[in-house]
Amino acid sequence: SQQGEEDPQALSIQEGENATMNCSYKTSINNLQWYRQNSGRGLVHLILIRSNEREKHSGRLRVTLDTSKKSSSLLITASRAADTASYFCATDGSSYGNKLVFGAGTILRVKS
Amino acid sequence: DAGVIQSPRHEVTEMGQEVTLRCKPISGHDYLFWYRQTMMRGLELLIYFNNNVPIDDSGMPEDRFSAKMPNASFSTLKIQPSEPRDSAVYFCASSRTGYRLLAFFGQGTRLTVV
Repeated sequence: SQQGEEDPQALSIQEGENATMNCSYKTSINNLQWYRQNSGRGLVHLILIRSNEREKHSGRLRVTLDTSKKSSSLLITASRAADTASYFCATDGSSYGNKLVFGAGTILRVKS
Repeated sequence: DAGVIQSPRHEVTEMGQEVTLRCKPISGHDYLFWYRQTMMRGLELLIYFNNNVPIDDSGMPEDRFSAKMPNASFSTLKIQPSEPRDSAVYFCASSRTGYRLLAFFGQGTRLTVV
């Protein structure tokens, strides 16, 4: 089952531009995470935001969480070709047995 | 630390054969997860262990799938008999108490059943 749904499914931008990806989920959560997956590789944890937090930063990453809308966004500023990857949101909450449930992902392509 | 290590990286097998996937979690991590990734269904949690004990196997699709964790540094996921619809990338991930849901993933095993 997929709790989170990312939007857009695919995004293509020029190097230096900002990339924004959105995630919507269905039930209440404890935490929301964003992961990156490079082609043919495993997932790498990027950032975790708790349900009582609204915004979090890590380097060029900015994550926001709106629990009233059940949505989150991941902003990558000043994108680089190396940011080309799939990005997944993952949520955990009691509705899913406190297990980590992943969305379908957004494919980001950064053109140099 | 070398991270989560999975083997093999690629596996091609014929339908009906037994397949065994292997995983070595990060040392000191006491949670281990097996995920399956397909285009159609995305990332699905199959089973997870805590301190070598299976906690939730509700994601295991059928009795053909089984997983074991004989010790803290090794786990296997076995499919017997394999079917073409089992073709997917299988990931192992580990985490530690207090950060259970902050998972570190292996590189995955790409399984193709022909």
